[in-house]
Amino acid sequence: EDQVTQSPEALRLQEGESSSLNCSYTVSGLRGLFWYRQDPGKGPEFLFTLYSAGEEKEKERLKATLTKKESFLHITAPKPEDSATYLCAVQIRNTDKLIFGTGTRLQVFP
Amino acid sequence: EPEVTQTPSHQVTQMGQEVILRCVPISNHLYFYWYRQILGQKVEFLVSFYNNEISEKSEIFDDQFSVERPDGSNFTLKIRSTKLEDSAMYFCASGGELGTGELFFGEGSRLTVL
Repeated sequence: EDQVTQSPEALRLQEGESSSLNCSYTVSGLRGLFWYRQDPGKGPEFLFTLYSAGEEKEKERLKATLTKKESFLHITAPKPEDSATYLCAVQIRNTDKLIFGTGTRLQVFP
Repeated sequence: EPEVTQTPSHQVTQMGQEVILRCVPISNHLYFYWYRQILGQKVEFLVSFYNNEISEKSEIFDDQFSVERPDGSNFTLKIRSTKLEDSAMYFCASGGELGTGELFFGEGSRLTVL
C-alpha cells in the first residue's frame, strides 16, 4: 500500500535554530513529491515539487531535498512566522491524486 | 493574486440532510479537486474533475457524493444524506496542469453533522 510518514509530529524551535523535517514514503511508482504549508484553519499552500532523487529546491529559509526513500525539509534560521504545519504529499504514476502525510506541526518561538 | 474561494465557511446540518458545498476555482484552471480533512487526521483525496466529468475518485466518494460544474465558474460538492462521519473540513483545489501536484487550495468549508 502507498504510504507517506512524516516525523516528528511536532517540533518546537527557538528563533534562529535550524532543523529538518522528514518525509518517508513507500509507493509503487513515484511521479512527484510535494511540500505544502498549512496554517490553522486554512487550506494547504504549495511550497515545492520534487521529481527525482538528488533534486533540491529552495525558497527563502526553506530547502527541500529528495532521495529514493525520503524527503527532507530543511529550515535555516527559522522565524516565528514560519510556524505552521508542513505537509508532505506524493503523487503516484498514472494517477492525479495526492497522498498526504499527517504533517509536522512546527512552532518557532522568539 | 488569484485564489480559490469556498462557501460556506462553516455549515451545521442534521444527519440525513443534503449539503452542497460551493467553490469558485481559479479562472484559467482546468482541473478541479475536492479533498477533506477530519479533525486531527490527514488530508484525504475525494475526487478529481476535468472536462466536465470525474477523472478519478477515492473509495470515500461513494454514491452519497456527487460533483458538478453547473456553469463556467462554480464547482460544487453535494452530499445527499449526511452521516456523522462526514463531519470534516472540505477543501476545494484547482490546478492549471494535469499531474503537476501544484494545487491551489481554498480555505475550506467546515461541515458539522449532528
